[in-house]
Amino acid sequence: AQSVTQLDSQVPVFEEAPVELRCNYSSSVSVYLFWYVQYPNQGLQLLLKYLSGSTLVKGINGFEAEFNKSQTSFHLRKPSVHISDTAEYFCAVRAAGNKLTFGGGTRVLVKP
Amino acid sequence: DVKVTQSSRYLVKRTGEKVFLECVQDMDHENMFWYRQDPGLGLRLIYFSYDVKMKEKGDIPEGYSVSREKKERFSLILESASTNQTSMYLCASSLGNREEQYFGPGTRLTVT
Repeated sequence: AQSVTQLDSQVPVFEEAPVELRCNYSSSVSVYLFWYVQYPNQGLQLLLKYLSGSTLVKGINGFEAEFNKSQTSFHLRKPSVHISDTAEYFCAVRAAGNKLTFGGGTRVLVKP
Repeated sequence: DVKVTQSSRYLVKRTGEKVFLECVQDMDHENMFWYRQDPGLGLRLIYFSYDVKMKEKGDIPEGYSVSREKKERFSLILESASTNQTSMYLCASSLGNREEQYFGPGTRLTVT
């Protein structure tokens, strides 16, 4: 069974500073990778996805992620955060079939 | 825009009651999913369906059942609600294996 580990449960960061959210997965087969964001009292929205091709993936709101097959990682980055980026972020992996496996989530708190 | 709606945002039920959570999507997606979200555990898959009247167990199906009589509607049923089913419930839909899942706003269920 695959698993997804988000190494940080909470990340405080100052406005306009960079942020990196770490995600590692365990799977021996080819995977599809996703990052979702959940704003307070809302459902999840897709930030970006990796299906194939370039390992650097750009998403919405200035976020990007890099797929590293050898390290089985898919870390999310933003060079300069805004107050509005305060949210919970989820990494997810699909190895086969329709099922997604989610990480435990990382809460980002952007401070002024 | 894909829209996934859930029948209630907040629900309070008593132990032993039968509970129905409804989910409707308007994009003719084949796949529909029910997750529960708990702090630190991310999203865990309860059940999913890849076609009308078809269903498959997810990772935590115990205490739940589902119904999919029409393509656009996927219901989650708690036959006899218990306090450990207090959680946020999220519904999602997707078109195919490579496509992302679209999420509803969630139902926060409290069982007292």
